[in-house]
Amino acid sequence: QVQLQESGPGLVKPSETLSLTCTVSRGSINTYYWNWIRQPPGEGLEWIGYIYYSGSTFYNPSLKSRVTISVDTSKNQFSLKLNSMTAADTAVYYCARGSVAGTEFDYWGQGTLVTVSS
Amino acid sequence: DIQMTQSPSSVSASVGDRVTISCRASQGISSWLAWYQQKPGKAPKLLIYAASSLQSGVPSRFSGSGSGTDFTLTISSLQPEDSATYYCQQANSFPLTFGPGTKVDIK
Repeated sequence: QVQLQESGPGLVKPSETLSLTCTVSRGSINTYYWNWIRQPPGEGLEWIGYIYYSGSTFYNPSLKSRVTISVDTSKNQFSLKLNSMTAADTAVYYCARGSVAGTEFDYWGQGTLVTVSS
Repeated sequence: DIQMTQSPSSVSASVGDRVTISCRASQGISSWLAWYQQKPGKAPKLLIYAASSLQSGVPSRFSGSGSGTDFTLTISSLQPEDSATYYCQQANSFPLTFGPGTKVDIK
């Protein structure tokens, strides 16, 4: 069964860049869509974007100017960078595998809470 | 963007009850809809995809129906472990969007 694990800092200062990595185990990152999704405390889910194993990406237009998602197939990892962080970006960040069609999320990481504060 | 709404926002029911949650899309999405269950402190879990297809390993008491703009998630006989928040998600067009969630409590 595929497993995903997020890693990265839990605290980021305002205006700085968030960098998170998702490591995929018990399965190959080749094929499928690899996504980042976030959830502010007590709120709903927001899709950030995906990367296909080939490197093609699609971002949520609401975040597009600040987001970069990349993939390292040799390490079975994909990563998120979100710049110009503000308090509004405080959230639990999840990585998730998209189905072959890229339409729903069948495997998720446990999530990592990122707090934006000085 | 396609906006998703859910009703009710919360429901309290007894073990064994039939529970129905509605989800509506702001425009037609064919059958491109998924349902997730999220328990506190945990990641969402995929229950239903393509509006009515049961994800592997999910109990058969969960079912989904609908197409176009109106969808339903039904729990045929509520169990204590079903206490959670349920989200719908449209998969018709990008950006992928979620409903606001429906919290299900056990009386």
